Amino acid sequence: GIQVEQSPPDLILQEGANSTLRCNFSDSVNNLQWFHQNPWGQLINLFYIPSGTKQNGRLSATTVATERYSLLYISSSQTTDSGVYFCAGAFYNQGGKLIFGQGTELSVKP
Amino acid sequence: EPEVTQTPSHQVTQMGQEVILRCVPISNHLYFYWYRQILGQKVEFLVSFYNNEISEKSEIFDDQFSVERPDGSNFTLKIRSTKLEDSAMYFCASTETGRDQPQHFGDGTRLSIL
Repeated sequence: GIQVEQSPPDLILQEGANSTLRCNFSDSVNNLQWFHQNPWGQLINLFYIPSGTKQNGRLSATTVATERYSLLYISSSQTTDSGVYFCAGAFYNQGGKLIFGQGTELSVKP
Repeated sequence: EPEVTQTPSHQVTQMGQEVILRCVPISNHLYFYWYRQILGQKVEFLVSFYNNEISEKSEIFDDQFSVERPDGSNFTLKIRSTKLEDSAMYFCASTETGRDQPQHFGDGTRLSIL
């Protein structure tokens, strides 16, 4: 079946540091989204990025669809960035459902 | 910005009882989804719904589960006879035109089965 793999599984940073989270997927996507799950369990949509690069403040994301990966960059991390980051893709011939990765748990220390 | 709203935010139910989770998708959206996340695990697809019928369902979505769009705004997930393993966060999502559009998620309903 289709695989969505995220790395690293866990990441601990000092406040102010930068980080890169990676999402590899095993088939062609027509939708790729990044989410941040906060401590209350809410899934906050960060980016809809099936291809190309987008930036939103300290966060940016790049998807290289032909090579089947996406990257999420967090710059100048803050303690409020802590939580679990998920990528999820909708794939050709798989209906419209999102298939989620296992997540990267980020902890930013003051 | 329009939102997907889910109620209740937290539901506690005795095993064997029926539970209905409610969602109000964004008003001009046509495709609706339910996902489940067991504590500490990834988010899993349950079912998709379009044009008043199920378009796809996962292996998790067995005969104990059903979905309905009883009126023009609500989208519900019913679990007929809850089991302990149904304890999870349940998310509703909607999208305007289908697979090439971002899915918008509600804040989730945390279901606890005792």
